[in-house]
Amino acid sequence: AQSVTQPDIHITVSEGASLELRCNYSYGATPYLFWYVQSPGQGLQLLLKYFSGDTLVQGIKGFEAEFKRSQSSFNLRKPSVHWSDAAEYFCAVAPGYDYKLSFGAGTTVTVRA
Amino acid sequence: DAGVTQSPTHLIKTRGQQVTLRCSPKSGHDTVSWYQQALGQGPQFIFQYYEEEERQRGNFPDRFSGHQFPNYSSELNVNALLLGDSALYLCASSLRNEQYFGPGTRLTVT
Repeated sequence: AQSVTQPDIHITVSEGASLELRCNYSYGATPYLFWYVQSPGQGLQLLLKYFSGDTLVQGIKGFEAEFKRSQSSFNLRKPSVHWSDAAEYFCAVAPGYDYKLSFGAGTTVTVRA
Repeated sequence: DAGVTQSPTHLIKTRGQQVTLRCSPKSGHDTVSWYQQALGQGPQFIFQYYEEEERQRGNFPDRFSGHQFPNYSSELNVNALLLGDSALYLCASSLRNEQYFGPGTRLTVT
């Protein structure tokens, strides 16, 4: 069975500071990995995805994530956060495209001025 | 290009009632998935429709059923509503690629 753990429930970061959100997954084969962002009252927006190739992937809004097979991790990073990055972030894993996504519980990011 | 749309936006129902939620996929997408997101939690997969058939199903009771129409739009039906069914219901569409989500329908059961 596939599962995702996001160890940090809530992170507070200052505007302009760097951000790293942790994600650990459990899956038997090579997973498809995703990061989604959800603003209050909104649906989910895809930030980036990984399924093969370069283990450092670039996404929208200046986000990047690194796949580390040895650590079963897919951590999300941003060098300098903006107030608009305050949101809920979800890591997800799937056996492939068009397959069910298994989500972590999410990490809430608060940005202080 | 219109994204995934869902209706209604909000809905209030009473325990025991039935509800139907609707989803129109992103243009060109033929696969629709439904997720339930309880407050403070990550989305949970309900089921997926492709070519008008249920292709995958999550761990949800038979009270949850769905349908996909020839134009790829989809409905989610929930019978005998329970208080615990209160959640944001998300629809996602795809075409052999990543899933794109709609804004969701907020269902409140009283």
